[in-house]
Amino acid sequence: DIQLTQSPSTLSASVGDRVTITCRASQSISSWLAWHQQKPGEAPKLLIYKASTLESGVPSRFSGSGSGTEFTLTISSLQPDDFATYYCQQYNSYSLLSFGPGTKVDIK
Amino acid sequence: EVQLVESGGGLVQPGGSLRLSCAASGFTFTNYYLSWVRQAPGKGLEWVANIKHDGSETFYVDSVKGRFTISRDNAKNSLYLQMNTLRAEDTAVYYCARAPGGKEGGYFDLWGRGTLVTVSS
Repeated sequence: DIQLTQSPSTLSASVGDRVTITCRASQSISSWLAWHQQKPGEAPKLLIYKASTLESGVPSRFSGSGSGTEFTLTISSLQPDDFATYYCQQYNSYSLLSFGPGTKVDIK
Repeated sequence: EVQLVESGGGLVQPGGSLRLSCAASGFTFTNYYLSWVRQAPGKGLEWVANIKHDGSETFYVDSVKGRFTISRDNAKNSLYLQMNTLRAEDTAVYYCARAPGGKEGGYFDLWGRGTLVTVSS
């Protein structure tokens, strides 16, 4: 099974800050990684897929990078609407998908 | 409107059964793979099961194998999850999620709002 870890688990930041979240896979997953945003009481929302492809309608302040086992999600200038929990998801094999444990971004 | 709407959640005793449904609208149902993803109270996301666009293959996380069955009715644009021998640790919000499918499309690009399943005596 492919395990995903995320760091940090919680991140305190201010509006306008540049924020970076890291996701590491226990084995190479090429670029088969997505990032989802979830706000309290809401369903998750896709932000990025194939490690760096921005989903349609997602603001350009979000970006993703990486391949193999190390990936990052960057928010270039944090906005009030961005305070949420972020999950990475690997899809190297459709028969066994998995998510990272999540990174909560809260207000400093 | 493109959406997924889950139903069927509720309170069930340990060892009991429940069937969840997910109604899809606004897109060509048969073009997509579908999944169930759950989230225990205060916890992270956990993939539960997948089904290919034509129902030809299904996959499950180890913790539900032999107890849960995912299925779809393409004529009704609906996805189902039959859950048997439920345990307290199955308590969660269950989300229906869509994936484009194929090697490059295992990511979830559309999510429902979820339905809460509580397993308790």
